Amino acid sequence: DTGVSQDPRHKITKRGQNVTFRCDPISEHNRLYWYRQTLGQGPEFLTYFQNEAQLEKSRLLSDRFSAERPKGSFSTLEIQRTEQGDSAMYLCASSLTISTDTQYFGPGTRLTVL
Amino acid sequence: SQQGEEDPQALSIQEGENATMNCSYKTSINNLQWYRQNSGRGLVHLILIRSNEREKHSGRLRVTLDTSKKSSSLLITASRAADTASYFCATDAGAGKSTFGDGTTLTVKP
Repeated sequence: DTGVSQDPRHKITKRGQNVTFRCDPISEHNRLYWYRQTLGQGPEFLTYFQNEAQLEKSRLLSDRFSAERPKGSFSTLEIQRTEQGDSAMYLCASSLTISTDTQYFGPGTRLTVL
Repeated sequence: SQQGEEDPQALSIQEGENATMNCSYKTSINNLQWYRQNSGRGLVHLILIRSNEREKHSGRLRVTLDTSKKSSSLLITASRAADTASYFCATDAGAGKSTFGDGTTLTVKP
């Protein structure tokens, strides 16, 4: 399967713990995006990378959130000191550099903070 | 706040009927995309329509774009039970990031 993959698919954690999610984009895609989606809502943009450079961060991305794409391939999203309000589906997408190109989404990581 | 707003929020039809969903947005865009999402799953890309295009077709899907009204519609013809899902429009105003609405939940009854 050459689509976008995310790991893990589900994560249950206790409040205050740190969690890290991984996204592997489609191999030739330069851009990688992170979105968050809560129940009944559409995805909300968090941040995106052009190769290894993080070009934009949403105001939704508090200091507890950090994302990396060290070699311009896979990316990680870490949430420190999780809160119950962080419970959501975290979606990763990738696309080619051209801004009008389609974003292809992974299956998401569902985070539940108890 | 979300740029795109889908209408209606929920739609229930019988198999074989057509389903029309609308999307309105607020600012100028480069393109608009429609996605489908089955419950608890990731988003599946359906169609991308660029700002200089007015209509696109893909199988049973037809998308229109009216930039003067800042609106788009998605028509699904001859609906099937497998079309049951949430449908989202996403606008790209630049830099490639997409802004999503809250979706239309479509239920197709067999």
